[in-house]
Amino acid sequence: SQTIHQWPATLVQPVGSPLSLECTVEGTSNPNLYWYRQAAGRGLQLLFYSVGIGQISSEVPQNLSASRPQDRQFILSSKKLLLSDSGFYLCAWSGGQLSPLHFGNGTRLTVT
Amino acid sequence: GEDVEQSLFLSVREGDSSVINCTYTDSSSTYLYWYKQEPGAGLQLLTYIFSNMDMKQDQRLTVLLNKKDKHLSLRIADTQTGDSAIYFCAESRGAGANNLFFGTGTRLTVIP
Repeated sequence: SQTIHQWPATLVQPVGSPLSLECTVEGTSNPNLYWYRQAAGRGLQLLFYSVGIGQISSEVPQNLSASRPQDRQFILSSKKLLLSDSGFYLCAWSGGQLSPLHFGNGTRLTVT
Repeated sequence: GEDVEQSLFLSVREGDSSVINCTYTDSSSTYLYWYKQEPGAGLQLLTYIFSNMDMKQDQRLTVLLNKKDKHLSLRIADTQTGDSAIYFCAESRGAGANNLFFGTGTRLTVIP
């Protein structure tokens, strides 16, 4: 069966520090991968998605970037965090068009 | 408009039925989904319905789809305190990897 791992679960970082959140998927090949942000436990904002290694689509220009160095690995990064980057970050995968998204457990990021 | 709309809050008493409503936008949407998010966790896929169906039942969950009105509902029978969570509907709209659009979520509170 397929599983998705996302870490760390919580993170507290100072303003101006770098960020690296990692997500890996097991049990499937060539998944579509996604990064979402959720503010204050409400709606989801799609940040990035990827349909293959090295292919990244950005939905919202901002202080973050994403990379997919391996088929089942998706990384969310920032060179310098802002206070406004605080939130709950969710990684997800799908098997392709017409397939549902399956989410990781999320990372709670607090920028101080 | 392009928004998937849900009421923000719903409170029910334990043992009663809950009905969570969603209005979506695209009459050609193929699949419609319901996700559950417990506090501090990722989104869990609860159930989904294909657009050529009117109803789907899965244990305590019943999904009703009214394509004419673009209205989707999730009924939870015999609601329990463990059902307290945020519920998101989502529609699969169009082709491509970025084709899943989420509502803002309904926070269900179950009163003991």
